[in-house]
Amino acid sequence: NAGVTQTPKFRVLKTGQSMTLLCAQDMNHEYMYWYRQDPGMGLRLIHYSVGEGTTAKGEVPDGYNVSRLKKQNFLLGLESAAPSQTSVYFCASSYSNIPYNEQFFGPGTRLTVL
Amino acid sequence: AQSVAQPEDQVNVAEGNPLTVKCTYSVSGNPYLFWYVQYPNRGLQFLLKYITGDNLVKGSYGFEAEFNKSQTSFHLKKPSALVSDSALYFCAVRDTVLTGGGNKLTFGTGTQLKVEL
Repeated sequence: NAGVTQTPKFRVLKTGQSMTLLCAQDMNHEYMYWYRQDPGMGLRLIHYSVGEGTTAKGEVPDGYNVSRLKKQNFLLGLESAAPSQTSVYFCASSYSNIPYNEQFFGPGTRLTVL
Repeated sequence: AQSVAQPEDQVNVAEGNPLTVKCTYSVSGNPYLFWYVQYPNRGLQFLLKYITGDNLVKGSYGFEAEFNKSQTSFHLKKPSALVSDSALYFCAVRDTVLTGGGNKLTFGTGTQLKVEL
């Protein structure tokens, strides 16, 4: 099993450009999450999904959109990138509705917005 | 609301010495508590979790954590540190009284562990 994979690994954008980050998991997990990691702030939840076709806002959703058209994929979109969105983005997944199940993380995408 | 605090940005330990990385939490009900480790340029890896029962939880790579309800703490420990343990450690919490919400975790800001020879 590959676990959780993310593409791309690195990306540099100019302000105003758009892009999509792809997360894929092969563990048949129901729940998927997008986080951003910034120095001194830990991980903050951007959006999450509790199943195919569902999405919900997390702690810091502004400027991002997500889609979960297939159970194994969770896409994070930036419609008009801003320098404040420079960060490392992590995708994670977990089994359904058991609240103490751990989350499995992808390797991350390092995004720089100039 | 649920929250977690890691009071130390960095912990330095000599190899072979015991290590402790501190974590305190705040929840409305009872907590589910987790420790994750992040090596440079990698994603987070699960180390261990507390659900209920025995206050001492054993996890991967010789790590363990002690749950203390009266002090609302969940400190990570290892009896003998290795240089290879050097990494960023995150504590996370989920309140058991939360319903729905995708089993969201709240993470601490992380503690950088540096183990030196």
